[in-house]
Amino acid sequence: DGGITQSPKYLFRKEGQNVTLSCEQNLNHDAMYWYRQDPGQGLRLIYYSQIVNDFQKGDIAEGYSVSREKKESFPLTVTSAQKNPTAFYLCATSTDFTDTQYFGPGTRLTVL
Amino acid sequence: DAKTTQPPSMDCAEGRAANLPCNHSTISGNEYVYWYRQIHSQGPQYIIHGLKNNETNEMASLIITEDRKSSTLILPHATLRDTAVYYCIVRAPQIQGAQKLVFGQGTRLTINP
Repeated sequence: DGGITQSPKYLFRKEGQNVTLSCEQNLNHDAMYWYRQDPGQGLRLIYYSQIVNDFQKGDIAEGYSVSREKKESFPLTVTSAQKNPTAFYLCATSTDFTDTQYFGPGTRLTVL
Repeated sequence: DAKTTQPPSMDCAEGRAANLPCNHSTISGNEYVYWYRQIHSQGPQYIIHGLKNNETNEMASLIITEDRKSSTLILPHATLRDTAVYYCIVRAPQIQGAQKLVFGQGTRLTINP
């Protein structure tokens, strides 16, 4: 946290709608990550990016999309193709893939 | 990554030292021990990490046994704000491709007044 902001903190979506979660960092970190956390469970990696204009799928990328047009920003779009989108979404950053990951405060998405 | 084992819950009195154990008997030579904590409905917070030497920072101390098969996180003077789930993770530096963090069940630490 500290230099990583996620907005909004809480988000409600109707079924069938796409929604974009914001992640911004001012740490000058190259690597950024999106995780999903479900109640009582650990983290699952959705997408990650090592540098601008490059990103890779994680373990559960289906129904999600990302972009990395700027070093500071790594927005995550939850599409209508994601069958069970209600979860706590966490963005993380690190200087590179070898280094410690730091997390943002998270966005709690609820599909109504 | 090596699997870790932590007690599911612990209690500690406010002002006392909280000692959280972690077993990682299958740890490899290049794997670091990391500790994070997560307060309810917040993002995980990095605490400390180490390879084989003991480490200390403003938040905590990390004691790693000589054989590296276990470690202990020490919060020297626990406060109510230290109530959280604490996760012990072992991971090796990843050069190519991201290495996801694998959080187990962790230890739910409750600090009592």
